[in-house]
Amino acid sequence: ETGVTQSPTHLIKTRGQQVTLRCSSQSGHNTVSWYQQALGQGPQFIFQYYREEENGRGNFPPRFSGLQFPNYSSELNVNALELDDSALYLCASSPGQGSTDTQYFGPGTRLTVL
Amino acid sequence: AQSVTQPDIHITVSEGASLELRCNYSYGATPYLFWYVQSPGQGLQLLLKYFSGDTLVQGIKGFEAEFKRSQSSFNLRKPSVHWSDAAEYFCAVGREYGNKLVFGAGTILRVKS
Repeated sequence: ETGVTQSPTHLIKTRGQQVTLRCSSQSGHNTVSWYQQALGQGPQFIFQYYREEENGRGNFPPRFSGLQFPNYSSELNVNALELDDSALYLCASSPGQGSTDTQYFGPGTRLTVL
Repeated sequence: AQSVTQPDIHITVSEGASLELRCNYSYGATPYLFWYVQSPGQGLQLLLKYFSGDTLVQGIKGFEAEFKRSQSSFNLRKPSVHWSDAAEYFCAVGREYGNKLVFGAGTILRVKS
């Protein structure tokens, strides 16, 4: 069974640019959640996709957007990058969006904004 | 709204000593609680979870946690720490918003030989 994978591993961008991060969910999982983990902090929920529809969003501006594809893989897009967007971006997949559906995390993408 | 507090930013224990990492949550109903571990440069690995039932939960790598409703706590314990346990540990709470998690700030565990 393949776990959650994310690409790329590391990324360096400059302020104002746009970035796309990718996530492949674990086999059999139809729900993907994205989290931002700034240095020295715990992960913060960005948004969740369930069967290709957004299913909840945290306190992040609209320049953070996402997609989920029919194979349940997902993208996180961030426009107009700011220095504070530098963080580890974690993707988690789960078999559903119910409260007992445990999330399994990928290794993350480290984004540095200069 | 749900919240999680992990009072200890850093903890150092000797190899072979026992470990307890503290976690306090805020939520009006019975929460769903999780402990995850993060090694440097890695994602989060689930150690254990509590949904209901027995308040003492066993997890992987010899870890256990006890849910205490009266203290709003879900502390993580291990009787004998190994050097490979050095990592950052995160407590998380769910249920108010489905399975979307609210995490604490984490506790960094250092193990000295």
